Amino acid sequence: DIQMTQSPSTLSASIGDRVTITCRASQSISSWLAWYQQKAGKAPKLLIYKASSLHSGVPSRFSGSGSGTEFTLTISGLQPDDFATYYCQQYNSYWTFGQGTKVEIK
Amino acid sequence: EVQLLASGGDLVQPGGSLRLSCAASGFTLSSYAMSWVRQAPGKGLEWVSCLSDTFATALYADSVKGRFTISRDNSKNTLYLQMNSLRAEDTAEYFCAKSDGELRFGYYYYYMDVWGKGTTVTVSS
Repeated sequence: DIQMTQSPSTLSASIGDRVTITCRASQSISSWLAWYQQKAGKAPKLLIYKASSLHSGVPSRFSGSGSGTEFTLTISGLQPDDFATYYCQQYNSYWTFGQGTKVEIK
Repeated sequence: EVQLLASGGDLVQPGGSLRLSCAASGFTLSSYAMSWVRQAPGKGLEWVSCLSDTFATALYADSVKGRFTISRDNSKNTLYLQMNSLRAEDTAEYFCAKSDGELRFGYYYYYMDVWGKGTTVTVSS
């Protein structure tokens, strides 16, 4: 099974900050990685697929990069609506999520 | 507008059964792979099961294999998850999700692009 490890688990940031979340896979997953945003009590929403492709309707301040085993999600200019939990997910072999990164207000 | 609406969650005793439904609108469910994903209280996301589009191939996480069955009714445009032999650790909010992706090297690579609001399953005596 492929394990996904996100860091940090919690991140405190201010409006306007540049935020980076890292996701590591236990083995190479090529670029088969997605990022989701989840707010409390809501369903997850797709942000990024294939490591760096922006899903339709997602603001351009969100970007993804990486391949193989190392991936990052960057939010350039944090907005009030961005305080949420973010999950990475590999879909190279079945589906596995990272444990999540909660972005909090500093 | 593409929408998914999950229902059927309830309080059930250990060893009991439950069937979840996910009604799709705005698209033809049988044309896409569909998944169930769950989230235990205060925990992260866990993939549970996937039903492919073309040949309706079913895949399951090891934690539910042999107990859960995914299926769909094309005439009702609805996805189901039959859950048997339920355990306390199955307690979670269950989400259905539509998948998109691409075919590469003879394999399909699916991610979940549209999610429905979840339905809550509680397994307790």
